[in-house]
Amino acid sequence: GAVVSQHPSRVICKSGTSVKIECRSLDFQATTMFWYRQFPKQSLMLMATSNEGSKATYEQGVEKDKFLINHASLTLSTLTVTSAHPEDSSFYICSADRAGVNEQFFGPGTRLTVL
Amino acid sequence: KQEVTQIPAALSVPEGENLVLNCSFTDSAIYNLQWFRQDPGKGLTSLLLIQSSQREQTSGRLNASLDKSSGRSTLYIAASQPGDSATYLCAVIELNEKLTFGTGTRLTIIP
Repeated sequence: GAVVSQHPSRVICKSGTSVKIECRSLDFQATTMFWYRQFPKQSLMLMATSNEGSKATYEQGVEKDKFLINHASLTLSTLTVTSAHPEDSSFYICSADRAGVNEQFFGPGTRLTVL
Repeated sequence: KQEVTQIPAALSVPEGENLVLNCSFTDSAIYNLQWFRQDPGKGLTSLLLIQSSQREQTSGRLNASLDKSSGRSTLYIAASQPGDSATYLCAVIELNEKLTFGTGTRLTIIP
C-alpha cells in the first residue's frame, strides 16, 4: 500500500510551452501533497504544499504564477509549469501525506527538459 | 530556517565494511527524521523513519539513530554490498509536516 505515481516520467518541451505533471495516490487518500524540485547533484527543495480544495502554499522564491498547482481531489494533484524556460529543467518529485500515518510517500519523479 | 547537512558528501568503501553516514540539523524542534536512498535518475526509497520519541530504528543491515538535543542522526550500514551504492538523503520533518532534506552522501561500495 501507499503507492504514489507521477505522469509523465519524462518530458521534453520547447521553451515557452506549458507542461502539466500529475501526481496520484493510488491506494489511499491524501489531503495534502507536496511538490519538490531537484537540480542536478543537489538535494530536494520543497516548492509548495498542495491541499485538497484550497490554494497551494508556496515556498519563498517559488513563483506561484509560473508553477500552477491544482489539488482537485483527494488522490490527484497537478503541477503546471507555465511558459517553461531551460532553467526550469529539473527533476520534479511529489509526495502525498497519508492521513493517520504521519508519513509522506514519494512518487518516482518527472524529469523535465526544456529546450 | 532549518538547515540539514550531511557529511561526508561522498564516500567510497570496500565491500563488506561497516560504515556510518552523518546528518546534522540546526533546529532541534523536529517531529520525525527520515532516511532515504536515491539511485541515479530515480525517485526516493524510504529506508527508515525515526519518530521524535524514538532514539533509533533498525531494518535489516540498517540502523538509524536520532539525538534531537544535539541535532544529529546517523545511518549505520553493516556488511556493505555493491547494491548499497546510491545517494543517501536524510530529511527532518517538522511539526507542520514539511520535510527539509539534507545535502546527501553519495556512497560507492567497491567490489
